[in-house]
Amino acid sequence: EIVLTQSPATLSLSPGERATLSCRASQSVSNYLAWYQQKPGQAPRLLIFDSSNRATGIPARFSGSGSGTDFTLTISSLEPEDFAVYFCQQRSDWPLTFGGGTKVEIK
Amino acid sequence: DVQLLESGGDLVQPGGSLRLSCAASGFTFSSYSMNWVRQAPGTGLEWVSAINANGNYIYYADSVKGRFTLSRDNSKNTVYLQMNSLRAEDTAVYFCAKVGGGFNSYGSGSYDAWGPGTLVTVSS
Repeated sequence: EIVLTQSPATLSLSPGERATLSCRASQSVSNYLAWYQQKPGQAPRLLIFDSSNRATGIPARFSGSGSGTDFTLTISSLEPEDFAVYFCQQRSDWPLTFGGGTKVEIK
Repeated sequence: DVQLLESGGDLVQPGGSLRLSCAASGFTFSSYSMNWVRQAPGTGLEWVSAINANGNYIYYADSVKGRFTLSRDNSKNTVYLQMNSLRAEDTAVYFCAKVGGGFNSYGSGSYDAWGPGTLVTVSS
């Protein structure tokens, strides 16, 4: 099973600041990595698929990069609605797996 | 608009059974793989099962293999998750998710649409 490790667990930032979230895979997943945003009581929302492709309707301040085992989600300038939990997910091999999540909270 | 709506969640005793349904609309259901993902209270996301567009590839997490059965009826735009021999550790919100964005033809992919989820509680 491919284990995805997200860091940091919590990121405390202010609106307008840049957020950098990391996801590391226990073995190569090529570029088959997605990022999701989840707010309390809601289903996750797809932000980025296949490492760097923004999903439909996702603002340009969200960007993804990486390949192999190291991936990054960057939010260039945090808006109030961006404070949430972010998960990465790999689709390279079965079982599909998710990272443990990074909570982006208001400082 | 793509819509997914889960139903069937309930309180059930350990060892019991439930069948979850996910009704889809707003897209050509028969062309897309569907998955179930669950989230135990206060925890992260866990992939449960996947089925490809025509139902001939089905995969399960080890934690549910032999107890859960995934199926789909493309004439009804619905996917079903039959859950037997339920355990306390199966307690979670169960989300139905449509595979989109990056994907392959075997059922794997990222999820570009999710239902609101249905709560399954296994307790005596």
